[in-house]
Amino acid sequence: EAQVTQNPRYLITVTGKKLTVTCSQNMNHEYMSWYRQDPGLGLRQIYYSMNVEVTDKGDVPEGYKVSRKEKRNFPLILESPSPNQTSLYFCASSPYGPTQPNEKLFFGSGTQLSVL
Amino acid sequence: EDQVTQSPEALRLQEGESSSLNCSYTVSGLRGLFWYRQDPGKGPEFLFTLYSAGEEKEKERLKATLTKKESFLHITAPKPEDSATYLCAVSERNTPLVFGKGTRLSVIA
Repeated sequence: EAQVTQNPRYLITVTGKKLTVTCSQNMNHEYMSWYRQDPGLGLRQIYYSMNVEVTDKGDVPEGYKVSRKEKRNFPLILESPSPNQTSLYFCASSPYGPTQPNEKLFFGSGTQLSVL
Repeated sequence: EDQVTQSPEALRLQEGESSSLNCSYTVSGLRGLFWYRQDPGKGPEFLFTLYSAGEEKEKERLKATLTKKESFLHITAPKPEDSATYLCAVSERNTPLVFGKGTRLSVIA
């Protein structure tokens, strides 16, 4: 089954404790992206990747890191989490990304992160 | 100023009561307008892409339309299973999608 898989589904941590949220897709998509979703603010892009070893900042990159060493994986790293990073996070992928006008995103099921 | 504005924020309908959701946008050079459905606790799921003014697309009880400044998602005779948050997103050339904040739809039996 074609899908985007995120782990963990729920995560509670404390301020300053490094964490990684994993994302994997099995559709051979070149484009992958991370979003956060907050009440009243909607979906905001954190980072995206057009291909292996190619990453770029989205609208809200501060406090986050990503890497794209393999095509299928795109982990989100919080080196020193803070309470304002408490949010619902989504990973998404598409075949080629916004260079193609008909690109639609496939989303994972989300990771609910709470930073205490 | 938000590039994508959705209204209303929330809509409550009786089963069978048709209505429309609105998505207005201010981007220039629109390449595509997308509608997604999001169920509680899940990721958004793609519904439609519209490319040019006058275009329409349908899927079951949903019909999406596009003008030069806005898009409508018409829901005909909705059922409780249509309850969800509906997200609109717009694409400009070579830029990531910009999402609206969504309309939360509740359909009561």
